[in-house]
Amino acid sequence: NAGVTQTPKFQVLKTGQSMTLQCAQDMNHNSMYWYRQDPGMGLRLIYYSASEGTTDKGEVPNGYNVSRLNKREFSLRLESAAPSQTSVYFCASSPGGLGNTIYFGEGSWLTVV
Amino acid sequence: DQQVKQNSPSLSVQEGRISILNCDYTNSMFDYFLWYKKYPAEGPTFLISISSIKDKNEDGRFTVFLNKSAKHLSLHIVPSQPGDSAVYFCAASGKTGANNLFFGTGTRLTVIP
Repeated sequence: NAGVTQTPKFQVLKTGQSMTLQCAQDMNHNSMYWYRQDPGMGLRLIYYSASEGTTDKGEVPNGYNVSRLNKREFSLRLESAAPSQTSVYFCASSPGGLGNTIYFGEGSWLTVV
Repeated sequence: DQQVKQNSPSLSVQEGRISILNCDYTNSMFDYFLWYKKYPAEGPTFLISISSIKDKNEDGRFTVFLNKSAKHLSLHIVPSQPGDSAVYFCAASGKTGANNLFFGTGTRLTVIP
């Protein structure tokens, strides 16, 4: 009963380092998303993938890249981490289409020092 | 610019009483609205949703009301229980083709035993 699984759960990076957050879903969902949550800001969409083979920018894509590796997996990469990218990152998935519910992973806490 | 707004950062309610959480939106293209509940160190979990063709949707102790003319929705929890203490996020999506959700900043509900 895994749902959406993301790794790592916690990570500390130095400014300028790179890292990849991994996400996988086992619900056969078409769409996948990466959000970040910051205090007082709610959840903001970084990138999404409406279906396998497609990716699009969300509200706050700068400094990030994504890869929809296959239907199950959607990774988020920080090429050169900055302190402004300190946040909690949530991967999510949904069946796709309008009026659908999005299901979230448990979150990845990233600190950039 | 925040398209979904939750103007009350926090709310405290006695156990057994009604909790009313409010949400306003600005984009008239939104046609599907959701409430998510989030406990600390966990991902948001889906609670209840409503389509713009309805003005009320009920699921057990949870009822969501939608007032399209006022661009306002609310979540009622009756009766409130201590386990309901969490952060509640309002979210909306619409006919944008992007099938992603726009989130409010959240309201922290505390139910006092």
